[in-house]
Amino acid sequence: DIQMTQSPSSLSASVGDRVTITCRASQSISSYLHWYQQKPGKAPKLLIYAASSLQGGVPSRFSGSGSGTDFTLTISSLQPEDSATYYCQQSSSAPWTFGQGTKVEIK
Amino acid sequence: QLQLQESGPGLVKPSQTLSLTCTVSGGSISSSDYYWTWIRQPPGKGLEWIGYIYYSENTNYTPSLRSRVSISADTSKNQFSLKLSSVTAADTAVYYCARYSLRHYGELDYWGQGTLVTVSS
Repeated sequence: DIQMTQSPSSLSASVGDRVTITCRASQSISSYLHWYQQKPGKAPKLLIYAASSLQGGVPSRFSGSGSGTDFTLTISSLQPEDSATYYCQQSSSAPWTFGQGTKVEIK
Repeated sequence: QLQLQESGPGLVKPSQTLSLTCTVSGGSISSSDYYWTWIRQPPGKGLEWIGYIYYSENTNYTPSLRSRVSISADTSKNQFSLKLSSVTAADTAVYYCARYSLRHYGELDYWGQGTLVTVSS
């Protein structure tokens, strides 16, 4: 199985801050990497697919980059509604696997 | 707009079989562009992919659950279902159904709201 490791596990930042979350795969997954946002009691929501493509309706302050084994999710200007847990997920090979999540809190 | 809705018992006894159904509206589960997927999330923990079905009969399961899991589809009702046998407390989780898109790089672009299944006597 491909292991996905996110860092940090949690972070606290102020409104307007630039926030970066990283995701590392245990082997190369090309661009088969997706990012999801999950708020308490809700289903995950797709933010970024194929490492860097913004899903329709997602604010442009979210962006993704990377390929191979190292990936980044960036929130350019953190907003109060961005308080959530963020997960990366690989679809390069089954079993598809998720990172352990990064909890983003607003100071 | 595509919608997915999970349904099934919220409480299952240990050693019994968990059965859930996902009803899809606004799109066909017979489409060759998508896999129909089950994912679960134990309380306070991360996400675990369980398996998928496509072309209404081809399936793939995560190895850790393969001996206990079965996913099937009913195209006449536009539904797909999950069965997980011999459940224990470790199977307590929110279960989500989701659509996996083959149009890009295999992202999970639509999710159901999730249903909590508790395994307890």
